[in-house]
Amino acid sequence: IAGITQAPTSQILAAGRRMTLRCTQDMRHNAMYWYRQDLGLGLRLIHYSNTAGTTGKGEVPDGYSVSRANTDDFPLTLASAVPSQTSVYFCASSVDAGTGASGYTFGSGTRLTVV
Amino acid sequence: GQNIDQPTEMTATEGAIVQINCTYQTSGFNGLFWYQQHAGEAPTFLSYNVLDGLEEKGRFSSFLSRSKGYSYLLLKELQMKDSASYLCAVRDSNYQLIWGAGTKLIIKP
Repeated sequence: IAGITQAPTSQILAAGRRMTLRCTQDMRHNAMYWYRQDLGLGLRLIHYSNTAGTTGKGEVPDGYSVSRANTDDFPLTLASAVPSQTSVYFCASSVDAGTGASGYTFGSGTRLTVV
Repeated sequence: GQNIDQPTEMTATEGAIVQINCTYQTSGFNGLFWYQQHAGEAPTFLSYNVLDGLEEKGRFSSFLSRSKGYSYLLLKELQMKDSASYLCAVRDSNYQLIWGAGTKLIIKP
């Protein structure tokens, strides 16, 4: 793999079910992020991790949790899915948390529908 | 609050020039990014501005005025493949990216 891999590509999930979205990068980037993208809204940060072993809450963290056990993996878990969590989820990474001109590299996204 | 404003949609003709504007109000400023996002795909990095002025990269240029809280992305010699959404994002004082909702650019032959 090269870059960021997200799985699954799409998923239909019953409300109340637990779901983990997977994200793996092979660029040895220190910082990783989870965003959701909804029509008419900008990308909204759910959770982030500046380095392995640390995580932080973004703009819309409620209903989601993350872990960062190592540099490469940053899974996002929905403990009990609700219809308002229907969205496209993007995982992203950057060399470091704050500085740098190279921006973020994004995964191809997971389209999640909660019914 | 923090805010990034961009036009929702623009239409331009193949071969022409288009300018997409972005105005921002954020708590601090540590750089401005432009991304391109084709429908159903992930955003991809286009440009980065941290100092005032124009950054040119092939057919694409990006301008920044920090005193005015303003940037634009200029696309020259438009091609059909440039039909996409263009996202403006500002890195704030906490080094987090604040994103605009994006400008959908429609290119007509």
